[in-house]
Amino acid sequence: DTAVSQTPKYLVTQMGNDKSIKCEQNLGHDTMYWYKQDSKKFLKIMFSYNNKELIINETVPNRFSPKSPDKAHLNLHINSLELGDSAVYFCASSQGLLTGELFFGEGSRLTVL
Amino acid sequence: SQQGEEDPQALSIQEGENATMNCSYKTSINNLQWYRQNSGRGLVHLILIRSNEREKHSGRLRVTLDTSKKSSSLLITASRAADTASYFCATGGNDYKLSFGAGTTVTVRA
Repeated sequence: DTAVSQTPKYLVTQMGNDKSIKCEQNLGHDTMYWYKQDSKKFLKIMFSYNNKELIINETVPNRFSPKSPDKAHLNLHINSLELGDSAVYFCASSQGLLTGELFFGEGSRLTVL
Repeated sequence: SQQGEEDPQALSIQEGENATMNCSYKTSINNLQWYRQNSGRGLVHLILIRSNEREKHSGRLRVTLDTSKKSSSLLITASRAADTASYFCATGGNDYKLSFGAGTTVTVRA
């Protein structure tokens, strides 16, 4: 069974569209994250949730809206997509808040045309 | 802003050789972690070293941490083709987030 699964794996869409990426973890963790990896492989945290509560909200445009319906799920909705949003988005989970080991999903590659 | 910075950006070695990569960071940390990312895949945790530890081993991996120099190194001994990947250091502090660098791309030639 995949520990952290995210869908879809690939998204290709036009500028201005809205898209969502879903993430689920079956590890029983209480903390989930979204990271963005750019074309130079730099990985930057976007959001983290602990027990469905938003803990970290980095300087991310408010076109990005995370939603955590329960501890096992963290979804990412992006409105009015821009070219610069093209990247690979990774979901991750961990137990606790104090930055122990993170478990990553396989990534969702978003291409905005 | 990024916390960890890996050096070198890329490394090419022969199978059987050792690979060493370094990580420097800027602020105080609780722990430092190393991750591996194979092409097109997610990151996989390799090893965690706490700020009060100086060295840690796991199989063919050896990690050192020098908090006075704010630096860490990852040594992979007797490299194999399967070690070809990008390696990232990540620092954990009291801000509840793990901050990554841009990684070192390691190519192991057969």
